[in-house]
Amino acid sequence: AQTVTQSQPEMSVQEAETVTLSCTYDTSESDYYLFWYKQPPSRQMILVIRQEAYKQQNATENRFSVNFQKAAKSFSLKISDSQLGDAAMYFCAPGGGADGLTFGKGTHLIIQP
Amino acid sequence: GAGVSQSPSNKVTEKGKDVELRCDPISGHTALYWYRQRLGQGLEFLIYFQGNSAPDKSGLPSDRFSAERTGESVSTLTIQRTQQEDSAVYLCASSPHRGPYNEQFFGPGTRLTVL
Repeated sequence: AQTVTQSQPEMSVQEAETVTLSCTYDTSESDYYLFWYKQPPSRQMILVIRQEAYKQQNATENRFSVNFQKAAKSFSLKISDSQLGDAAMYFCAPGGGADGLTFGKGTHLIIQP
Repeated sequence: GAGVSQSPSNKVTEKGKDVELRCDPISGHTALYWYRQRLGQGLEFLIYFQGNSAPDKSGLPSDRFSAERTGESVSTLTIQRTQQEDSAVYLCASSPHRGPYNEQFFGPGTRLTVL
């Protein structure tokens, strides 16, 4: 079983600035992955970045990177050089086993022009 | 290629009616997942299929909910005797294989409103 906590219901950042979205989780799985998904107003869930829990190196995908602290069960998302198109709901999701993902309640990211 | 598609996009129904929600996964994806997203909430996992088999149905909210899948193709989520608390967006996702490492590709969802 997994639980996910996203403690920031809403975050606001100026365009071109950097913002960090926090996520903590708990899991009984020994082998798992962690995902950040983005959901714009269109409702389409889009994968932003994925981290393999057994890897110590933090995942990076262009302007998106994670700070994965396995012992603390923390998985934050950093967005550099924020763009207007980054405005969306962001969901953190640990995935383990064959079942579906467990999602947090999300963080609404607002980009100020 | 085509992504995951869902129909209808929006559905308004009266309390007590039955509804069917359809999901067409990406061709070749063996795993298929259904989620429910209530207003302002995260996604709640309902059920997954590996091929046309659903090993665990315990995530379905009540016995009014059922789901089936034809082979490794289309899936239907049926809600019988709908209640107002069933109002939500129902999202479907597919994945090339079952397992925690695979990206899930999501459809645009069906917004269900029960009056």
